[in-house]
Amino acid sequence: EAQVTQNPRYLITVTGKKLTVTCSQNMNHEYMSWYRQDPGLGLRQIYYSMNVEVTDKGDVPEGYKVSRKEKRNFPLILESPSPNQTSLYFCASRPSSGGVSYEQYFGPGTRLTVT
Amino acid sequence: GQQLNQSPQSMFIQEGEDVSMNCTSSSIFNTWLWYKQDPGEGPVLLIALYKAGELTSNGRLTAQFGITRKDSFLNISASIPSDVGIYFCAALQSGYALNFGKGTSLLVTP
Repeated sequence: EAQVTQNPRYLITVTGKKLTVTCSQNMNHEYMSWYRQDPGLGLRQIYYSMNVEVTDKGDVPEGYKVSRKEKRNFPLILESPSPNQTSLYFCASRPSSGGVSYEQYFGPGTRLTVT
Repeated sequence: GQQLNQSPQSMFIQEGEDVSMNCTSSSIFNTWLWYKQDPGEGPVLLIALYKAGELTSNGRLTAQFGITRKDSFLNISASIPSDVGIYFCAALQSGYALNFGKGTSLLVTP
């Protein structure tokens, strides 16, 4: 089954404790991205990757890091989480701009709480 | 990214009614996507539109790519309780980030 998976689905942590949220897709998509969703603010892009070893900042990159060492994986790293990073996070993937389809698929989400 | 204006913000309807929502922008786009999101879950792609004027259906859902390429519409016919959720539009120019609307929250009473 074609899908985007994220782990963990739920995470409660404390301020300053480094964490990683994993994302993996099995559709051989070049483009992957991370979003956060907050009430009233909608979906905001954190980082994206056009392909392996190619990453760039989205609209709200502060406090986050990413890496793209393999095509299928795109982990989100919070080096020193703070309470304002409490949010619902989504990973997404889609074919690159060179294809005919721009259909973007989302993972199931990771609910992060930073105390 | 560019702003997508999605309306209405919320709808409260009775089962069996038809629903219409739309997204507009001041920018031209090449692709429009419509998603549905259940609480605490990821958005699920409903319909993708690639050509101005295109009308595409998925069961009781019908979406249209506006002729000006600045807007899109989603209609749901004969709504049922499981249609409850938040519906998002998204639009893409070419190879860049998707722009999202703020969503339309749909509530359906039996």
